[in-house]
Amino acid sequence: GNSVTQMEGPVTLSEEAFLTINCTYTATGYPSLFWYVQYPGEGLQLLLKATKADDKGSNKGFEATYRKETTSFHLEKGSVQVSDSAVYFCALRPGAGGTSYGKLTFGQGTILTVHP
Amino acid sequence: SAVISQKPSRDICQRGTSLTIQCQVDSQVTMMFWYRQQPGQSLTLIATANQGSEATYESGFVIDKFPISRPNLTFSTLTVSNMSPEDSSIYLCSVEGGRFYGYTFGSGTRLTVV
Repeated sequence: GNSVTQMEGPVTLSEEAFLTINCTYTATGYPSLFWYVQYPGEGLQLLLKATKADDKGSNKGFEATYRKETTSFHLEKGSVQVSDSAVYFCALRPGAGGTSYGKLTFGQGTILTVHP
Repeated sequence: SAVISQKPSRDICQRGTSLTIQCQVDSQVTMMFWYRQQPGQSLTLIATANQGSEATYESGFVIDKFPISRPNLTFSTLTVSNMSPEDSSIYLCSVEGGRFYGYTFGSGTRLTVV
C-alpha cells in the first residue's frame, strides 16, 4: 500500500538557520506529492506540491524536489523565521487509475520550533 | 482565493450525543473528503463524500458511526454519532477539483467529548 515517512521531530532551530525535513514515500505508479503546514490552532494549508519526477515545488522560501530514484520529497528552506514555527506534513496522492485515486496519505507530521 | 467554511469551529459535547459538522465550499468541486486528526497525530481519511450517492468509507470507519451527506457539489455534512471521549479530535473537510489548486482544507472542527 501507500505510505509516507517523515523525519521525527520535534525540530528546534534558531532564526536564519537552514531547514531540512526529510520525507520518503512508498507508492506504486506515479503519485503526486505535497507538503502541508499547520500553524498553531489552525487548519491545514497547502505549502507546495509536485506532480511528476524532478518537479520542484516552491512557496514562501520553501522548496522540495520530487526524486523518484530515491522516493523522496524533502522540504528545505534556506533561512527560517520564527513565524515558520508549525507542524509540517508530507503527503502523497496516488496516480490515476487505482481505487485509491484522490485520497491523500499523510506522514506523521514534524513539529518545527524556531527561536529568535 | 477559494473559501471553505466549516462549522462549528469547536464544540464540547456530552458522551452519547451526536454532532453534525458542516462543510460549505464557495464553488463546485468534484471531490470532498472528511479527515480526522486525533490529538498529536497525523490525519486519517474517514471517507469520500460522493454527490448523489453514499459515501465511501475507509477501513475502520462505518456509516452508522460517521454518516455523511453530500446533497450537492458545494456542501457536505459529517455526523459523529453516539460520541465517546475517544472521538475527541479535529475533524477536517477537504476538497479537490474545480478551481482548487491541489487539495484545500477547511479550518477544522475541534471536538471534545466529555
